[in-house]
Amino acid sequence: RKEVEQDPGPFNVPEGATVVFNCTYSNSASQSFFWYRQDCRKEPKLLMSVYSSGNEDGRFTAQLNRASQYISLLIRDSKLSDSATYLCVVNMTHNDMRFGAGTRLTVKP
Amino acid sequence: SAVISQKPSRDICQRGTSLTIQCQVDSQVTMMFWYRQQPGQSLTLIATANQGSEATYESGFVIDKFPISRPNLTFSTLTVSNMSPEDSSIYLCSVEDRGVTDTQYFGPGTRLTVL
Repeated sequence: RKEVEQDPGPFNVPEGATVVFNCTYSNSASQSFFWYRQDCRKEPKLLMSVYSSGNEDGRFTAQLNRASQYISLLIRDSKLSDSATYLCVVNMTHNDMRFGAGTRLTVKP
Repeated sequence: SAVISQKPSRDICQRGTSLTIQCQVDSQVTMMFWYRQQPGQSLTLIATANQGSEATYESGFVIDKFPISRPNLTFSTLTVSNMSPEDSSIYLCSVEDRGVTDTQYFGPGTRLTVL
């Protein structure tokens, strides 16, 4: 089993759609969780941290289920500018970050 | 968050040569990391650059191939030695945000092509 596994994608959705990305991780002792966004030929940029209680930032909602070792990212009202690759990142122990393979999203007019 | 720069931004190198990549941060940081991102793949940690001591390498990466320097809290270098086409990749440095535990921010990356 991979340490961090994401939906393979790609996701092609129309503007305004709601899309959900799923991610599972193998190490039950993992400590912190993140979603990063990576645009083509750019570095990954932190989108949001993921907390046990779930957290929301505008159109983006992240959820964590420790019992199921599952993380999700929901994007509401998709914009063209949301097109990117979304990376699920799990911190196994302090500063031992493992990256998922990424899920590519394309939002179309 | 810290502002991170890398040099060079890209390079095309001949097989058998070496390239040193520089990473500069605009503030002092304790933790600096080097990653590789091969075409179409996600990021793989090469090593943690420790200030004042040898870097800590991940499985599959060795100091002879990827020597790392960390002379101070704002600067690090990664050398890709004796390059082969398989080393063609994007190399990224990252730093831990001291204000937010376990959160890393990335430099713009160095795109390396080995012919």
